[in-house]
Amino acid sequence: GESVGLHLPTLSVQEGDNSIINCAYSNSASDYFIWYKQESGKGPQFIIDIRSNMDKRQGQRVTVLLNKTVKHLSLQIAATQPGDSAVYFCAENSGGATNKLIFGTGTLLAVQP
Amino acid sequence: GAGVSQSPSNKVTEKGKDVELRCDPISGHTALYWYRQSLGQGLEFLIYFQGNSAPDKSGLPSDRFSAERTGGSVSTLTIQRTQQEDSAVYLCASSLEWGDNQPQHFGDGTRLSIL
Repeated sequence: GESVGLHLPTLSVQEGDNSIINCAYSNSASDYFIWYKQESGKGPQFIIDIRSNMDKRQGQRVTVLLNKTVKHLSLQIAATQPGDSAVYFCAENSGGATNKLIFGTGTLLAVQP
Repeated sequence: GAGVSQSPSNKVTEKGKDVELRCDPISGHTALYWYRQSLGQGLEFLIYFQGNSAPDKSGLPSDRFSAERTGGSVSTLTIQRTQQEDSAVYLCASSLEWGDNQPQHFGDGTRLSIL
């Protein structure tokens, strides 16, 4: 079946350290992936996306890596700040006629001051 | 520019009542999605609109759930004869147009509680 899963349900890091959040996906035909950040009481906020013809994409303090061989996705956050504390979801675009997103259960990132 | 707007932000109702949730997408976005998020869980797809038509309703849990979109803009999700298991956050997202590689942008959701 379709599934997108996360390896670490909770990640605790010190302020200023780099964070790495991992995600595994099961549909080898998926060609578009998105990372979202969700703060308490808010909707998911788009962070960065990547297409399957790329293996790395960088944004402001964030980098997404895609390894299609092992169907693995990661989000790296540089110099993690308290404001980065949130739940992070990877999402897989199912393509086809809908482009619905398939989400994993999320990773809670806790930044310690 | 305004983002996706959803109302109400919170809704508490008694079991058996009907509820209507509203989504106002980003102006100019033609694709609109509804998702449901149960406590501590990821998002579950419900229905997708392209313009006013709904090519994919496969995620609607039962025939008590329906949605419509008029004028290619605002959408309403209706739940009839609500049950306690319907309690969740209902999220709406829109994207600029249909097609791969279009990021979906979310509203803050409606938190629905069924007593």
